[in-house]
Amino acid sequence: EPEVTQTPSHQVTQMGQEVILRCVPISNHLYFYWYRQILGQKVEFLVSFYNNEISEKSEIFDDQFSVERPDGSNFTLKIRSTKLEDSAMYFCASSDEGNTEAFFGQGTRLTVV
Amino acid sequence: GEDVEQSLFLSVREGDSSVINCTYTDSSSTYLYWYKQEPGAGLQLLTYIFSNMDMKQDQRLTVLLNKKDKHLSLRIADTQTGDSAIYFCAEYGSSNTGKLIFGQGTTLQVKP
Repeated sequence: EPEVTQTPSHQVTQMGQEVILRCVPISNHLYFYWYRQILGQKVEFLVSFYNNEISEKSEIFDDQFSVERPDGSNFTLKIRSTKLEDSAMYFCASSDEGNTEAFFGQGTRLTVV
Repeated sequence: GEDVEQSLFLSVREGDSSVINCTYTDSSSTYLYWYKQEPGAGLQLLTYIFSNMDMKQDQRLTVLLNKKDKHLSLRIADTQTGDSAIYFCAEYGSSNTGKLIFGQGTTLQVKP
């Protein structure tokens, strides 16, 4: 069964460093998303991406965040200068043309120290 | 604004039925979802319901939607220990970009 895969599963980084979280969405999907879940809190929407551009972003998704689909298979989330409060589980998701069923990856746990 | 609320914890005995409840605020939501998260794993789409439906059944899972009260429930029949997980309710955002708004999750504990 096709699945969304994310790498790495766990990333530890120092405050102020740049991190790139990687995702391989399901191959025929057209919509891509990033969410995050701070420990003990809700899963929060960060950004949606369609047709090579951001279709919606949340207030969390400020200038420190960017997304890219560099090669037609990967979908990345970059955080330019990480802060302690960026520590969270980051989930990538994708959906097909109907855009009603989103399938999630297993997540990347980001720890900023 | 868009908001989804769930109770935090539910404990049942193996073999009993579990009912997990959710309320949402956006009456224009077209789809409502239930996701399951097992320890250390991602979010697994269990089922979803279109807003013009009252009920959807899928094997042991029954979803009930009361659109007037903006209330969604997930019933798991014959609950098994393998059903122990966190269950998230989510609504499809009104912006139609595919954004989902999640509740805080209900931890289901199934006792043998």
